[in-house]
Amino acid sequence: GENVEQHPSTLSVQEGDSAVIKCTYSDSASNYFPWYKQELGKGPQLIIDIRSNVGEKKDQRIAVTLNKTAKHFSLHITETQPEDSAVYFCAASISSASKIIFGSGTRLSIRP
Amino acid sequence: GAVVSQHPSWVICKSGTSVKIECRSLDFQATTMFWYRQFPKQSLMLMATSNEGSKATYEQGVEKDKFLINHASLTLSTLTVTSAHPEDSSFYICSARGTGSTDTQYFGPGTRLTVL
Repeated sequence: GENVEQHPSTLSVQEGDSAVIKCTYSDSASNYFPWYKQELGKGPQLIIDIRSNVGEKKDQRIAVTLNKTAKHFSLHITETQPEDSAVYFCAASISSASKIIFGSGTRLSIRP
Repeated sequence: GAVVSQHPSWVICKSGTSVKIECRSLDFQATTMFWYRQFPKQSLMLMATSNEGSKATYEQGVEKDKFLINHASLTLSTLTVTSAHPEDSSFYICSARGTGSTDTQYFGPGTRLTVL
C-alpha cells in the first residue's frame, strides 16, 4: 500500500521568511496530493492540492510542486506570518475519491 | 461552501458506556464519508470508509463491532464507540466527499473523546 513520508517533523522560521516542507510517496499509482493545515484542537483544513497532470500550483503565498518521476512533492509558504503556525500534513491518494494516506506531519512555528 | 460539522465537539464518558458521534455535511451531499482517529501529536489514521446506504469498509485492525458506523443519508454519518474503554480516548475526525466541485475530502472539526 501507499506510504507517505514527510520532513521535517518540526520547522521554525523567522516571520517573513519562507518555509518548505517535503514529502515522498511510494505508490506510483497515486495522482492526487492534498496538503492540510491543522490548528490545535481542530480538524485538518485543505489549503492546496495538486494532481499528477500538473507540476506546480500556486495560491497567493502557498505553492506546491510535484515531481512524479522522483515521487516527491513539496509545500512552499512565502512571506510567513504568525497565523501560519500550525501542523501541516501532506497526503497522497489514487484519486480525490479514494482514501487518503497522510504523512506524519510538520509542526511549523513562526518566530516574530 | 463545503462545510462539515461534528457533534459533540467533546465528550467525557464512563468506561463501559457507548458514545455516538455525528458527522454532517451542511451544504453539500456527501456520497462518501471517512472516519479517522488521531492520537496526540500524531497523524490521522483512517478507521473506515462509508458510502451512503452501504456497509462501511473498515481498515485492517479496526474492530467493526467496536466502532459502529452508519451512513443513513447523504448528509449524515454516525460513529458509535461501543463499550468504551480508556484506550479508546482519542480525537475522532470525520471527512465528507461530494461530487462535482466538492469531489474532495472536507474535514470536520473533530470530537475529543475521553473515557474515564
